[in-house]
Amino acid sequence: ETGVTQSPTHLIKTRGQQVTLRCSSQSGHNTVSWYQQALGQGPQFIFQYYREEENGRGNFPPRFSGLQFPNYSSELNVNALELDDSALYLCASTYRKGSSYNEQFFGPGTRLTVL
Amino acid sequence: DAKTTQPPSMDCAEGRAANLPCNHSTISGNEYVYWYRQIHSQGPQYIIHGLKNNETNEMASLIITEDRKSSTLILPHATLRDTAVYYCIVRVEAAGNKLTFGGGTRVLVKP
Repeated sequence: ETGVTQSPTHLIKTRGQQVTLRCSSQSGHNTVSWYQQALGQGPQFIFQYYREEENGRGNFPPRFSGLQFPNYSSELNVNALELDDSALYLCASTYRKGSSYNEQFFGPGTRLTVL
Repeated sequence: DAKTTQPPSMDCAEGRAANLPCNHSTISGNEYVYWYRQIHSQGPQYIIHGLKNNETNEMASLIITEDRKSSTLILPHATLRDTAVYYCIVRVEAAGNKLTFGGGTRVLVKP
């Protein structure tokens, strides 16, 4: 158990729909990252949030967006879902002090299936 | 972040040491070596990290060669619960949370 929780655990959507995934960071962590993991591949970095602002982004289109709230919970929103968006979505939290980051703690993930 | 190369899979006998190699020949002087593992249907789990000195914690040991172009993760007494995909990642510690995962090594611990 890492103290990072995600909801829902599983989700089925159809192409073109929108989805919101949620993450609750470990207590005391002020930075959250989101990753997409396609079947059989390693996780791919989507973006990172620090102090409620996006602070780094991977190679994902703007229809992937996020929010971080004052209580360090966060959301990942995906608009106009495509079949290739089917994946395990992971959030990871850590504590950042200045330019130093501690190790990340991952949640169990949300399995999204797009039909 | 520097690219890493790991064998796609390896088997290990329960109770024996598991030695997982990783090549990172283009590593820069300020890049750390991190190891994570992912047990089936779970999120990745941090194991250990180091810069140039060997490191040990309750989970594993990390041996980094003197030229830092390769490293080995050692699980001293593998158990069935160590069956997982192990990822070797190199990154600048101050580069934020971004971890660049490769394919990893799928480790199967056999009784």
